Amino acid sequence: AQSVAQPEDQVNVAEGNPLTVKCTYSVSGNPYLFWYVQYPNRGLQFLLKYITGDNLVKGSYGFEAEFNKSQTSFHLKKPSALVSDSALYFCAVRGNSGYALNFGKGTSLLVTP
Amino acid sequence: NAGVTQTPKFQVLKTGQSMTLQCAQDMNHNSMYWYRQDPGMGLRLIYYSASEGTTDKGEVPNGYNVSRLNKREFSLRLESAAPSQTSVYFCASSGRGGSYYGYTFGSGTRLTVV
Repeated sequence: AQSVAQPEDQVNVAEGNPLTVKCTYSVSGNPYLFWYVQYPNRGLQFLLKYITGDNLVKGSYGFEAEFNKSQTSFHLKKPSALVSDSALYFCAVRGNSGYALNFGKGTSLLVTP
Repeated sequence: NAGVTQTPKFQVLKTGQSMTLQCAQDMNHNSMYWYRQDPGMGLRLIYYSASEGTTDKGEVPNGYNVSRLNKREFSLRLESAAPSQTSVYFCASSGRGGSYYGYTFGSGTRLTVV
C-alpha cells in the first residue's frame, strides 16, 4: 500500500532560522507526493506537490520540498521561518486507487519569536 | 466564493442517534472524499466518489454510508452514532485525474457523540 511517514510529532524552530519537516514514503511505482498545511480550526490547504521532473519543488508561502528517490524522502523546507508558519503540516501520497490521498499523521510546527 | 462547503460546522449527538453531514462543491470537480481527523492519527479516508454515480470504501468505512447525490454534492450518514465516531470530519474534492492536482478541502464538521 502507498504510505507516508512523518517521524516527528513536533518541530520547534526560532523565527528567522531555516526549518525542515520530514516525510518518508513507501510506494510501488512512481510516487505522487503532496504537502498540506492546517491552521487551527481550519481545513487543509495545499502547499505543493511532486509528480515528476525537478527534485526541488517550490510551493506556496515560500515553502519548498526536496524529493530524494534514493532515500525515499520528501522533506518540506523553508529558508527563514515566520511565527505565522506555526501550524500542523501533513505529507500525503496518492493511493492505489489513483484518486484518494493517504496522509501522514502530521507534524506540528512551532515557530517562536 | 468557490470551494467546498460543509454543514453543519458543529454537532453534538447522543449515542444511537443518526445524522447526515452535507458537502457541496462548486468547482465542477469529478471526485469527492470524506476523511476523519483524530489526534495523533492524521486523516483517514472513510469513503470516496471517483465520479458521479460511484462510491468506494476507504480505510475506515464501518458505521458510515455515503450518497453522491449529483456532481456537486456528497453526503456522509451516520446511522447509529457511537462515541468512537467523535471526530472532525472533512470533505474534499479534486478535478479530472483524481488526486493528481491535489484536493480542495472544506472547513470541517466537529462532531461529538455522547
